[in-house]
Amino acid sequence: DVKVTQSSRYLVKRTGEKVFLECVQDMDHENMFWYRQDPGLGLRLIYFSYDVKMKEKGDIPEGYSVSREKKERFSLILESASTNQTSMYLCASSLLTPGQGPGMNSPLHFGNGTRLTVT
Amino acid sequence: AQSVSQHNHHVILSEAASLELGCNYSYGGTVNLFWYVQYPGQHLQLLLKYFSGDPLVKGIKGFEAEFIKSKFSFNLRKPSVQWSDTAEYFCAVNARSSNTGKLIFGQGTTLQVKP
Repeated sequence: DVKVTQSSRYLVKRTGEKVFLECVQDMDHENMFWYRQDPGLGLRLIYFSYDVKMKEKGDIPEGYSVSREKKERFSLILESASTNQTSMYLCASSLLTPGQGPGMNSPLHFGNGTRLTVT
Repeated sequence: AQSVSQHNHHVILSEAASLELGCNYSYGGTVNLFWYVQYPGQHLQLLLKYFSGDPLVKGIKGFEAEFIKSKFSFNLRKPSVQWSDTAEYFCAVNARSSNTGKLIFGQGTTLQVKP
């Protein structure tokens, strides 16, 4: 069974701090994703990566950066935390199945989430 | 840009009632469609998916969804809900032309089932 592990379940940080959220998956998945989940807004994609050292912006990348030095690990970095970044952060991974056609994109496997509070 | 819209934000049902949650997407190309569920205190998990073929797909726990291409819809249904179905439900879309597995999610629907 795929396991996606997020290093912290709860974090409390102060405004202006640099924050690192870590995510590790154990199934050799190529794709990894960071979403934030807010009530009434669903899940919004921050960044994703489809290979080591590769990254692409999602829909709301402002104020965030990411690092993928190893295949199993995908880090989300808040360079200078702000109160509007208080949220639930979800990491996910999936197999990369290039090309088109049925079954060519595998479902996401999610971690348990990190609830970040910025005060 | 792709987007996904879930019409019902909060649904309250009694046990044994029938359920239908709406989901519409905006994307002109071929898509893969998913429903995910998040039970209280648990991580998001896949309920069902549609890639191609029969537009009526069956998932876990008696859920099913129907893809209606002409309406850009992928509504989730269950004939008789149980208290244990209380959860948040998310519809998600992936453009078939995307090689990255990027999913766009709807806003979510909170389902509360009263015993």
